[in-house]
Amino acid sequence: EPEVTQTPSHQVTQMGQEVILRCVPISNHLYFYWYRQILGQKVEFLVSFYNNEISEKSEIFDDQFSVERPDGSNFTLKIRSTKLEDSAMYFCASRGLAVYSYNEQFFGPGTRLTVL
Amino acid sequence: ILNVEQSPQSLHVQEGDSTNFTCSFPSSNFYALHWYRWETAKSPEALFVMTLNGDEKKKGRISATLNTKEGYSYLYIKGSQPEDSATYLCASLTGTASKLTFGTGTRLQVTL
Repeated sequence: EPEVTQTPSHQVTQMGQEVILRCVPISNHLYFYWYRQILGQKVEFLVSFYNNEISEKSEIFDDQFSVERPDGSNFTLKIRSTKLEDSAMYFCASRGLAVYSYNEQFFGPGTRLTVL
Repeated sequence: ILNVEQSPQSLHVQEGDSTNFTCSFPSSNFYALHWYRWETAKSPEALFVMTLNGDEKKKGRISATLNTKEGYSYLYIKGSQPEDSATYLCASLTGTASKLTFGTGTRLQVTL
């Protein structure tokens, strides 16, 4: 069964460093998302991406964040200069056309980012 | 502001018990309600996508109902098993947005 994969599973970085979180969505999906969950809090939306551009982003997704689909398979989230408060589990998700899927989003297992 | 709430936050039941959790969501501009099952270190797994008022869906021992007028959904597990231990997340979609707004989740632990 096709699945969303994410690498690495755990990333530890120093404050101020750049990190890139990688995701491989399900191959025929068209919509891509990043969410995150800070420990003890709700899973929260960061950004959605369709047709090679951002379609929606939250207030959290400021200039320090960027997303890219550099080739036909990968979808990346970059944080330019990490802060302590960026420590969280980051989830990638993808979905197909809404008419077939009722916007059902398929999630990866997450990357746990720890900023020291 | 869209706010999705779940209760209880955690639940501890014995094997064989039946249990249920609640998800409440704003009913205005409702589009769909998603239930996910999330085990630690694994991907959240989609259980149900519910769209119509009065919808009832079932997958094995797990079922869910939806009331869009009053803004709540129930998830039921019949005859809980240890492998049902997980966090159960609900998430709402509103209007034309495609982003999911999640509740805090209900952490279920089933013991022998």
